[in-house]
Amino acid sequence: DAGITQSPRHKVTETGTPVTLRCHQTENHRYMYWYRQDPGHGLRLIHYSYGVKDTDKGEVSDGYSVSRSKTEDFLLTLESATSSQTSVYFCAISERAQHRGELFFGEGSRLTVL
Amino acid sequence: RKEVEQDPGPFNVPEGATVAFNCTYSNSASQSFFWYRQDCRKEPKLLMSVYSSGNEDGRFTAQLNRASQYISLLIRDSKLSDSATYLCVANNNNDMRFGAGTRLTVKP
Repeated sequence: DAGITQSPRHKVTETGTPVTLRCHQTENHRYMYWYRQDPGHGLRLIHYSYGVKDTDKGEVSDGYSVSRSKTEDFLLTLESATSSQTSVYFCAISERAQHRGELFFGEGSRLTVL
Repeated sequence: RKEVEQDPGPFNVPEGATVAFNCTYSNSASQSFFWYRQDCRKEPKLLMSVYSSGNEDGRFTAQLNRASQYISLLIRDSKLSDSATYLCVANNNNDMRFGAGTRLTVKP
């Protein structure tokens, strides 16, 4: 299995609080992604990174920011969590751009915003 | 309208059965296609890529019909271990779109 660790794995927080999810990889892959998965919607891309300090928005980026200061770490921040951000968040990595190769996913972080 | 649509199922089939899933995509510019498998409360994992000419991997066969914009997955001789949700993916220029998944349960 690809070396991807997400933390925390579970979090319950209140509306309006900031939340940061961390993704750590040991594969030295260039590309990293944050997805959210909700019933009936499938996986939706929030933000992705194609290198250190290089990030771009995905399909559902509003309310989220990311940072990548090191190859191995990709942080997802919810500045002020809302109940609509209750979801399961998956980090993914790939050696090449995602349309050219396999995405490897982390185990997911389940976030509940009350 | 979702970019990638799948029948959510569930499909309940006996062991040994053949089962087929279809998936439609709306973006005609989509260039590459995949099937991912996701076990309950686990992360998705790549099952297979889908090539224009169709491709097979053991008991699994994937087909692509560009004219009709649909992708199919055929599973022959179903095993209990095939029980999972199958996610269809269509990609256009690094914009990957996932379907919501089709749930399969294989029963003894």
